Amino acid sequence: DAGVTQSPTHLIKTRGQQVTLRCSPKSGHDTVSWYQQALGQGPQFIFQYYEEEERQRGNFPDRFSGHQFPNYSSELNVNALLLGDSALYLCASSLRRGGLGTDTQYFGPGTRLTVL
Amino acid sequence: QQPVQSPQAVILREGEDAVINCSSSKALYSVHWYRQKHGEAPVFLMILLKGGEQKGHEKISASFNEKKQQSSLYLTASQLSYSGTYFCGTESNEKLTFGTGTRLTIIP
Repeated sequence: DAGVTQSPTHLIKTRGQQVTLRCSPKSGHDTVSWYQQALGQGPQFIFQYYEEEERQRGNFPDRFSGHQFPNYSSELNVNALLLGDSALYLCASSLRRGGLGTDTQYFGPGTRLTVL
Repeated sequence: QQPVQSPQAVILREGEDAVINCSSSKALYSVHWYRQKHGEAPVFLMILLKGGEQKGHEKISASFNEKKQQSSLYLTASQLSYSGTYFCGTESNEKLTFGTGTRLTIIP
């Protein structure tokens, strides 16, 4: 049973560029959440996708956008990169509990983004 | 608002016990606990739901006080493999908000 996978593992960009990160959820899961984790901090919720729509969003600017595909995989796009966007980006998949809250989220290995 | 975890760091000898606390100012639907080792993804430990349902590893125990919006994770007879940073994630309105973490170091 494949777990959550993310690509690429590492990425180096310069300020102002755009980046796309990818995530494939665990088999059987239909919900994908994205988190940003700065060094020494806990993961910060960016947004969650279910049924190809953004369902929940954290306190992140519109430069952060996403997409979910019919096969439940997801992309995170960040435009106009800033130095402060350097972080580990984690994707977590889960099975939606139909309005009964968030079920167990399984995290992928993350993408380390460095903005120079 | 971010939940507050305590202690921020703890050092234990192998075999000793530890308690990690998580407190939120919001009404919670559930609390999720994860352990993250350096350079790795967070690994699920336990979820505690409003109403008493729990899911998690057999060797891990935790409590959830809904009225006080607090949760505690109990680590007994600690092993070297327990080292890492522990995060609680509090769920409100289907959003998970993670605390700043508790760094646990187990020494032989």
